[in-house]
Amino acid sequence: KQEVTQIPAALSVPEGENLVLNCSFTDSAIYNLQWFRQDPGKGLTSLLLIQSSQREQTSGRLNASLDKSSGRSTLYIAASQPGDSATYLCAVGDNTDKLIFGTGTRLQVFP
Amino acid sequence: DAGVTQSPTHLIKTRGQQVTLRCSPKSGHDTVSWYQQALGQGPQFIFQYYEEEERQRGNFPDRFSGHQFPNYSSELNVNALLLGDSALYLCASSLVGGPQETQYFGPGTRLLVL
Repeated sequence: KQEVTQIPAALSVPEGENLVLNCSFTDSAIYNLQWFRQDPGKGLTSLLLIQSSQREQTSGRLNASLDKSSGRSTLYIAASQPGDSATYLCAVGDNTDKLIFGTGTRLQVFP
Repeated sequence: DAGVTQSPTHLIKTRGQQVTLRCSPKSGHDTVSWYQQALGQGPQFIFQYYEEEERQRGNFPDRFSGHQFPNYSSELNVNALLLGDSALYLCASSLVGGPQETQYFGPGTRLLVL
């Protein structure tokens, strides 16, 4: 059974810091891995999708890497801003579009 | 393109009642998945509908049922509500056989069971 774990559970940093959020999964037979952002009480916004054949994806200040063999992904946020404050969720997907989520990392960036 | 829409946004019910939540997928998508997100947790997969049939199901009791209509919209029904059913219910849409792309999530329906 696939299990997804995210570390740390919460993070509070001053503005401008570079951050690394971690995600690990137990079964390396994944189709893709996605990172989502969730603001309090809201739905999910997709940030990055990494296909199983890829090693990383970049969008603006965000970079996500994937190491299938070790069951790990990291989300790197450069030059963090208060507007980055949210919960970040990692999810692994199979070829039926079913997603298995981690419990998230709650990020607070203070001015 | 309105994206994925869900209704209602909020709902309050009492134990034992029944509830129906609705979802309209993103234009061009034919598959709808439902997730339950309890407070402080990640979303949990409930089930997925494709071609008006339940394609796969997560570890949820039969009190949770659904339907997909010919226009690809979907309903989630929960019978005999329990306090533990209080959660944010999220709908996601995708296209079977399409290029690998992110799933699109709706804003969710917040259900409170008293």
